[in-house]
Amino acid sequence: NAGVTQTPKFQVLKTGQSMTLQCAQDMNHNSMYWYRQDPGMGLRLIYYSASEGTTDKGEVPNGYNVSRLNKREFSLRLESAAPSQTSVYFCASSEPRASGNTIYFGEGSWLTVV
Amino acid sequence: QKEVEQNSGPLSVPEGAIASLNCTYSDRGSQSFFWYRQYSGKSPELIMSIYSNGDKEDGRFTAQLNKASQYVSLLIRDSQPSDSATYLCAVKSPDSWGKLQFGAGTQVVVTP
Repeated sequence: NAGVTQTPKFQVLKTGQSMTLQCAQDMNHNSMYWYRQDPGMGLRLIYYSASEGTTDKGEVPNGYNVSRLNKREFSLRLESAAPSQTSVYFCASSEPRASGNTIYFGEGSWLTVV
Repeated sequence: QKEVEQNSGPLSVPEGAIASLNCTYSDRGSQSFFWYRQYSGKSPELIMSIYSNGDKEDGRFTAQLNKASQYVSLLIRDSQPSDSATYLCAVKSPDSWGKLQFGAGTQVVVTP
């Protein structure tokens, strides 16, 4: 029972390089998210996809792009990495309901930009 | 002002004691509240959700919600060393669709 799977787990980039973080979920959830987590800042939403075919900006979208490839997959791209993007990135998915919204997280991707 | 605020800690709790964590939020219309536990180097995992005023108990965990005062708390009874982690409070506002706002987290250290 994989849940939310993201790759790679660790990556070191040079300033200006590009890369894509991949995420897939097997829970048949409609909604997917990318968060970043920095010390003392909590989890901040970068982009989200309410359903297949839609994407929207979160709190901190600058420097990132996303693609909702299909219902299972949601990728995050850094076009020109900057040291300020050094962080832990979490992909997540959920099935929002009127009663609430339990979000399930992947294991995280540790990204260092030097 | 941050939308969801928590004391960063660390909160040091003797083994067997009660750990009390607090969270305040700014959007009075918020309706859904969640507590996540995050071990160092791991991803957050949901431990409690609460939607109505009052208490909700699940094992050693009790969530308390007071919408009038805009706070939600988490009590951990009979604290164990395995409870040492960072606890994240998350809030869903009615106009935010499925998105959650997270606090920065409170680090709890249970000492034997």
